[in-house]
Amino acid sequence: KAGVTQTPRYLIKTRGQQVTLSCSPISGHRSVSWYQQTPGQGLQFLFEYFSETQRNKGNFPGRFSGRQFSNSRSEMNVSTLELGDSALYLCASRATGTRPLNEQFFGPGTRLTVL
Amino acid sequence: GQNIDQPTEMTATEGAIVQINCTYQTSGFNGLFWYQQHAGEAPTFLSYNVLDGLEEKGRFSSFLSRSKGYSYLLLKELQMKDSASYLCAVRDNAGNMLTFGGGTRLMVKP
Repeated sequence: KAGVTQTPRYLIKTRGQQVTLSCSPISGHRSVSWYQQTPGQGLQFLFEYFSETQRNKGNFPGRFSGRQFSNSRSEMNVSTLELGDSALYLCASRATGTRPLNEQFFGPGTRLTVL
Repeated sequence: GQNIDQPTEMTATEGAIVQINCTYQTSGFNGLFWYQQHAGEAPTFLSYNVLDGLEEKGRFSSFLSRSKGYSYLLLKELQMKDSASYLCAVRDNAGNMLTFGGGTRLMVKP
């Protein structure tokens, strides 16, 4: 089974621009979560999508948004980029159901640099 | 609120045993996860505890005490390749969201 894939892997943008990141989950996984990872704040939860609906949202400003498509692929968008948005953005997918473990599998991440 | 604490850095010697502690205070609990993350790579799943006690998986073991809000990851027979960050994460009651600690960067020296 192919793992979680994310595109692009690296991105450089300037302040004020917007960016869209893409995530393809493991086949059969319907839950997709997004995280921001920075050296100072660690891994912080952005949002989770399940069956095209946002199910949970972390404590991030409205500039951060996302969506999920019917094939479970997900995108996240950051508008009006700020220098502090420079980070590694990780996507994770997991199976859902009665199995208690249902661990999250992470993609390789998109390294976003805002200049 | 959610608060998960782990030491920032640890150093250990190849072949030794190291214990990485994690304490948590969260509004909900539906399992505690440990992930390993090598520099520049994605986190990979190591272990999961939802009931009190020890879970063993090869050289790695993880312990949980829910009453104390405490977990540890034990790594035995350390190898150089174990140099990585180790992330402790708590899952919420609904089972949908993970809250991560800041991670512990482990350096294994010869």
